[in-house]
Amino acid sequence: KAGVTQTPRYLIKTRGQQVTLSCSPISGHRSVSWYQQTPGQGLQFLFEYFSETQRNKGNFPGRFSGRQFSNSRSEMNVSTLELGDSALYLCASSLHSAGADTQYFGPGTRLTVL
Amino acid sequence: AQSVSQHNHHVILSEAASLELGCNYSYGGTVNLFWYVQYPGQHLQLLLKYFSGDPLVKGIKGFEAEFIKSKFSFNLRKPSVQWSDTAEYFCAVNAGGSYIPTFGRGTSLIVHP
Repeated sequence: KAGVTQTPRYLIKTRGQQVTLSCSPISGHRSVSWYQQTPGQGLQFLFEYFSETQRNKGNFPGRFSGRQFSNSRSEMNVSTLELGDSALYLCASSLHSAGADTQYFGPGTRLTVL
Repeated sequence: AQSVSQHNHHVILSEAASLELGCNYSYGGTVNLFWYVQYPGQHLQLLLKYFSGDPLVKGIKGFEAEFIKSKFSFNLRKPSVQWSDTAEYFCAVNAGGSYIPTFGRGTSLIVHP
């Protein structure tokens, strides 16, 4: 079974730009979650999508948004980028629930904001 | 809100030494507990998990963790570490049926050969 894939793997943007990251979950998994990983803060939960609906949202500003498609693939968008948005963005999929099931993580997208 | 504390941020050991990484959480009800590991250059992956039953949980690569409800702890242990255990270890807790797992800040483990 193929694992979670994320594209692109690396991105360099400048302040004020916007970016879209993509995640393809493991086949059959309906829950997709996004995390921001930084050395100082560890993994911070951004949001979870299930059946094309945002089920939960972490404590991030509205510049961070996402969506999920009918095939469970998910995208995350960050608008008006700030220097502090530089991080590794991880996507994780699980069968039904990020909190109750094992999460399978992708390799991440490394975003650098200049 | 639930929180997770990993007290050891950096641990350096020699091969064959014993390992114990601390994880404490702040929630008094039912919890699901996880340890994830991130080897250098690899994806974050599940090491072990506890949902219910025997509080001593065995995971991959000889790791185990013990859930002590009275201490709100889920410490990770390994009797004899290897150089290949060098990685970052994350404890995660999901409490009270919440869909949002909370991760600790991680512990970086370096094992010298």
